[in-house]
Amino acid sequence: EAGVVQSPRYKIIEKKQPVAFWCNPISGHNTLYWYRQNLGQGPELLIRYENEEAVDDSQLPKDRFSAERLKGVDSTLKIQPAELGDSAVYLCASSLAGGTETQYFGPGTRLLVL
Amino acid sequence: GEDVEQSLFLSVREGDSSVINCTYTDSSSTYLYWYKQEPGAGLQLLTYIFSNMDMKQDQRLTVLLNKKDKHLSLRIADTQTGDSAIYFCASKAAGNKLTFGGGTRVLVKP
Repeated sequence: EAGVVQSPRYKIIEKKQPVAFWCNPISGHNTLYWYRQNLGQGPELLIRYENEEAVDDSQLPKDRFSAERLKGVDSTLKIQPAELGDSAVYLCASSLAGGTETQYFGPGTRLLVL
Repeated sequence: GEDVEQSLFLSVREGDSSVINCTYTDSSSTYLYWYKQEPGAGLQLLTYIFSNMDMKQDQRLTVLLNKKDKHLSLRIADTQTGDSAIYFCASKAAGNKLTFGGGTRVLVKP
């Protein structure tokens, strides 16, 4: 069974430019998460979706970050405009409701803002 | 909010056992997880333990949980060079939210 798929794997942009990341969760997983991992730190949750609904976006900087999960499957995270401090790894994870709800992570998108 | 702490670095000789420690603050944590991250990769789930258990063994991995002291450890038996990576512990509390520690970098020397 395929794991969580993310693209692109790497992205280099200049500050003030827009950027978007895409995630395809494990088939059948209804909960999807976006995390940001700064260098040398653990991941921090940005937003959590249950199906199409964003149920926890308290840590998402809404002035420049947006996310969507149309049809409750794939998701896109966007930054516009990007700042130098947005350089990080953006991780997507998914889980199946009920039971342990264990989160499985994708390989991440490594963003460098110059 | 929840706080999860780990030591930064562990060096171990190949074939020895490794023990990685973690402390957390939220007494309502339901599950505690160990993830492994290799350079340039995402997080790979290693194992997890339910909060009402005190030990779980899975092949070379042993997880010990002291709920009273809010202390979690991961023991890797017969550590191999392929075990060199960063290990994250994570606590799950209300709302299925995971709080991660800062990671422990494990270096296995031949």
